[in-house]
Amino acid sequence: DGGITQSPKYLFRKEGQNVTLSCEQNLNHDAMYWYRQDPGQGLRLIYYSQIVNDFQKGDIAEGYSVSREKKESFPLTVTSAQKNPTAFYLCASRTSAQAGTQYFGPGTRLTVL
Amino acid sequence: AQSVSQHNHHVILSEAASLELGCNYSYGGTVNLFWYVQYPGQHLQLLLKYFSGDPLVKGIKGFEAEFIKSKFSFNLRKPSVQWSDTAEYFCAVIVGGGYNKLIFGAGTRLAVHP
Repeated sequence: DGGITQSPKYLFRKEGQNVTLSCEQNLNHDAMYWYRQDPGQGLRLIYYSQIVNDFQKGDIAEGYSVSREKKESFPLTVTSAQKNPTAFYLCASRTSAQAGTQYFGPGTRLTVL
Repeated sequence: AQSVSQHNHHVILSEAASLELGCNYSYGGTVNLFWYVQYPGQHLQLLLKYFSGDPLVKGIKGFEAEFIKSKFSFNLRKPSVQWSDTAEYFCAVIVGGGYNKLIFGAGTRLAVHP
């Protein structure tokens, strides 16, 4: 059963702590993305990666970091530098053959207390 | 900067009513256009897309959208909605050479009452 998994579904952290969100895909897709979804603002791109060991900042990368050591994995770290980290985080992936058609995971809701 | 505007943030309809959700983008060059849908408790998924050719595109579940280049619009339509169409709908655009970065609108929450 192919798809994108994100864990955990809900995550709570204290202010000032770094936290890493997991994203795994078994679709053999080259490109992977991280978005942040806030009510009334749609999805905003945090980071994206076209291939292994390469990634680019999106529109709101400040306070976040990523790695892409394996094709199937693209973890996102929300650092203490992110001023407003409480949000819904979505991971997506795309095959090179289908421009624009991204497949999304179920999301992780992060709450910073 | 490129942007996507969805004018209706919340829409409430009765079953069998017709639906039209507005989407406008701000970019003068080549664009590829998309509508994504997020049903309650489900993953965000592609509803339909436009790349070239016939500006009227058909998607899943009876949805269609029309690309009007002169109006920078890509409105989503459905002649008769069902309760199961209750969801949040996102318009998105890829601008030319943008490494397939999708730019999303703010979304429209549709509630369909039986």
